[in-house]
This record gives sequence, C-alpha cells and structure tokens, in this order.
Amino acid sequence: DAGVTQSPTHLIKTRGQHVTLRCSPISGHKSVSWYQQVLGQGPQFIFQYYEKEERGRGNFPDRFSARQFPNYSSELNVNALLLGDSALYLCASSASGGPYGYTFGSGTRLTVV
Amino acid sequence: AQSVSQHNHHVILSEAASLELGCNYSYGGTVNLFWYVQYPGQHLQLLLKYFSGDPLVKGIKGFEAEFIKSKFSFNLRKPSVQWSDTAEYFCAVKASGAGSYQLTFGKGTKLSVIP
Repeated sequence: DAGVTQSPTHLIKTRGQHVTLRCSPISGHKSVSWYQQVLGQGPQFIFQYYEKEERGRGNFPDRFSARQFPNYSSELNVNALLLGDSALYLCASSASGGPYGYTFGSGTRLTVV
Repeated sequence: AQSVSQHNHHVILSEAASLELGCNYSYGGTVNLFWYVQYPGQHLQLLLKYFSGDPLVKGIKGFEAEFIKSKFSFNLRKPSVQWSDTAEYFCAVKASGAGSYQLTFGKGTKLSVIP
C-alpha cells in the first residue's frame, strides 16, 4: 500500500524562478496539508486542502499557492523564489480534515541559489 | 495563536538510560497534543497523541507522554533508550475544535544514543 508520495525528491532553483511541488496522498485520503521545514526548525504549516477546497492557510506570502485536484493529489507552487525558501517541503495526508491521522511524505528538498 | 517550546536542542544518552524530553505549549484554549519522530533519512512518524481523558498516553516503541494542563506541558518519556531511538523528536499542538486544521510544531530535539 503506497504511502504519501512527493515529487521531485530534490531540486535546485535560481532566485526569482518558479517551482511546483507535487503530492499524491494515500488512497482514500481526501485531505492534503503542506508544511515547510527549514533546517534546524520544526515544520511550519502552509496550507490545508480538503475535498479540493482550501481549509487553512499559514503565515506565508502570496507567492505561495496550492491546489488540490479531483483525484485528491495536490500541487504547491512558489513564485519569485528567494534564498529563504530553501527548505524541506512536506506533504501530509489524512482521511478527514483533521490532523488526527496525518501521514507525512518524505518531502521535497528545495535549494534556491 | 499557539506556540510550542522544546527545551533541549540536542540530547546525548547511553543505551539503557532513561529519557525525558520537555515540551511546553502556549495556548489559552483546549488543545490536542502530539509527538512525532523523524529517524535519519525517513519521514515524520506519529509516536503518540493526546486528545482527552487519561493524561498519561502510551505510544509506539515504549514511549509515553504526560499531559499536565496546569503546566502547559506534554513531556515525552522512555524508561530505557536503545541505539535505534536515535532520531529527531518534535512536539506539536493543535487547537481543539472545528475550524482549526494546522499543527504547530516545536523546533525539535535531536536525540543521539550511544551504544
């Protein structure tokens, strides 16, 4: 049974560029959340989507956006990349909207140079 | 908004030593509390969670945590650690109730267990 899959695993981008990160939740899970984990810090909430609707948004600038597709997969988009966006981006899925049964993916390591 | 403080950045123990990792949260209302573990090269995994009831909760791999409401604390304990417990441990809090979806994590405590 596949867990939460994220792609790509690693990528390197230049300042000012745009990036799209992808997440496939566990089969049957309708909620996807995104977290940013900067080195030496705990994960920080970015977005949650449930049934393709945004349910929550963390304290991130409008350069960050996301969406959820009919198959419940999700994309996180970041525009005008800054050096400070370098981080591990985690996706978590759950069957319902709450974090009670969160399963995290292994993350996408983004390096902005 | 809620916040979480983990007191220890890095803890080094010998095998068979007892472990206690501190976690304090700041939030005026009812909370749900979690401990996650991240083993080297692996994804975050849930160790245990507290929603209500018995404040002493038991999790996987022999871990337990005690919720002390008056101290806003949720410390993680294990009587005897093993080398395989080497990992980073994160405490997290969620405001209880509808409309609250996010987990707020502490900065994490890195545990190194020496054989």
